[in-house]
Amino acid sequence: AQSVTQLGSHVSVSEGALVLLRCNYSSSVPPYLFWYVQYPNQGLQLLLKYTSAATLVKGINGFEAEFKKSETSFHLTKPSAHMSDAAEYFCAVRNTGNQFYFGTGTSLTVIP
Amino acid sequence: DSGVTQTPKHLITATGQRVTLRCSPRSGDLSVYWYQQSLDQGLQFLIQYYNGEERAKGNILERFSAQQFPDLHSELNLSSLELGDSALYFCASSARGVANTGELFFGEGSRLTVL
Repeated sequence: AQSVTQLGSHVSVSEGALVLLRCNYSSSVPPYLFWYVQYPNQGLQLLLKYTSAATLVKGINGFEAEFKKSETSFHLTKPSAHMSDAAEYFCAVRNTGNQFYFGTGTSLTVIP
Repeated sequence: DSGVTQTPKHLITATGQRVTLRCSPRSGDLSVYWYQQSLDQGLQFLIQYYNGEERAKGNILERFSAQQFPDLHSELNLSSLELGDSALYFCASSARGVANTGELFFGEGSRLTVL
């Protein structure tokens, strides 16, 4: 069975500092990997996705993630945090049967 | 706007009651997924339909049921409601075949409060 682990349910960074949100997956085959963002009282929006093309994936709002097969990781980064980045972030993996498995989420707080 | 429409946005009801949540997927999407999001459980997969047929079942209670209709909209029925059923219920859809870019498109959710 596939699963996703997000390390750190809460992350706080200062405005302008590096954002690093961690995600590790378990999969027996090359997966499809995703990062979603959820702002308060809204649905989940796709930030970026990995579909076995380039290992460094760029998404919206300056976010990017790197697929590292040897580490089974897909960590999300942003060089400089902005106040508007405060939200809940979910990592997800999709299997070949089109089933999606989500992590438990990481709440990002940006301190002014 | 993801193109996935959910109604109602908010619903308040009493314990023991039954409610129906409705979802219209993006135009052309054949797959519909239902998720429950609560503070203590995170995002839980409930059930998936593809072109009217149940494709996968997750942590869905027996008191809950769903279906996908010929026009591809889906309904999630929650019965004998308990306080613990209070949550945000999301519907998501994904594309079919070669148009499948892989991701799920989420609706805004239906917030259910059971009093």
